[in-house]
Amino acid sequence: AQSVTQPDIHITVSEGASLELRCNYSYGATPYLFWYVQSPGQGLQLLLKYFSGDTLVQGIKGFEAEFKRSQSSFNLRKPSVHWSDAAEYFCAVLMEYGNKLVFGAGTILRVKS
Amino acid sequence: DTGVSQDPRHKITKRGQNVTFRCDPISEHNRLYWYRQTLGQGPEFLTYFQNEAQLEKSRLLSDRFSAERPKGSFSTLEIQRTEQGDSAMYLCASSTSYEQYFGPGTRLTVT
Repeated sequence: AQSVTQPDIHITVSEGASLELRCNYSYGATPYLFWYVQSPGQGLQLLLKYFSGDTLVQGIKGFEAEFKRSQSSFNLRKPSVHWSDAAEYFCAVLMEYGNKLVFGAGTILRVKS
Repeated sequence: DTGVSQDPRHKITKRGQNVTFRCDPISEHNRLYWYRQTLGQGPEFLTYFQNEAQLEKSRLLSDRFSAERPKGSFSTLEIQRTEQGDSAMYLCASSTSYEQYFGPGTRLTVT
């Protein structure tokens, strides 16, 4: 069965510093991969997605992610973090032709000024 | 463009009571999903509709849970005889293909 691992439960970065959130997936075929962000008490907002093609994908709010098949990873990056980026971030995988998202446990991002 | 809406946003109920949640998807989306999220975890899939047909159900969806989408538009999720373990955020999402768009969720607290 497919699974998603986000190794970091909490990450704290200084405002203006770069950010990388890690995501590893377990799935035999080419996965459809997503990053979502969730502010406290809110639903999930789609940041970006990878289906095929260019392995570096751009998303909203200045985020990008890189798909690395050899490492089964889909890490999220941002060059300069803003205080408003503090939230919880979820990586998810959708099996091709599948109907459900499988989520990681999430990474809570704290931004210090 | 109206997003996915859910009602109520918060629900406090006593153990043993029945509760019902409503989800209104984005209007042209024919696929609708329910997920459950407990504290410190990512959302877990519960069930999936394509139009009015319920096509997939998770083992998490015990016989106390029932979901409907009677006309292929809004959906309801009912929990009968609630238990404290049902306390969670219930999230609805909709899509036309692979990208799922989520509503704000219904926070259920069972006392």
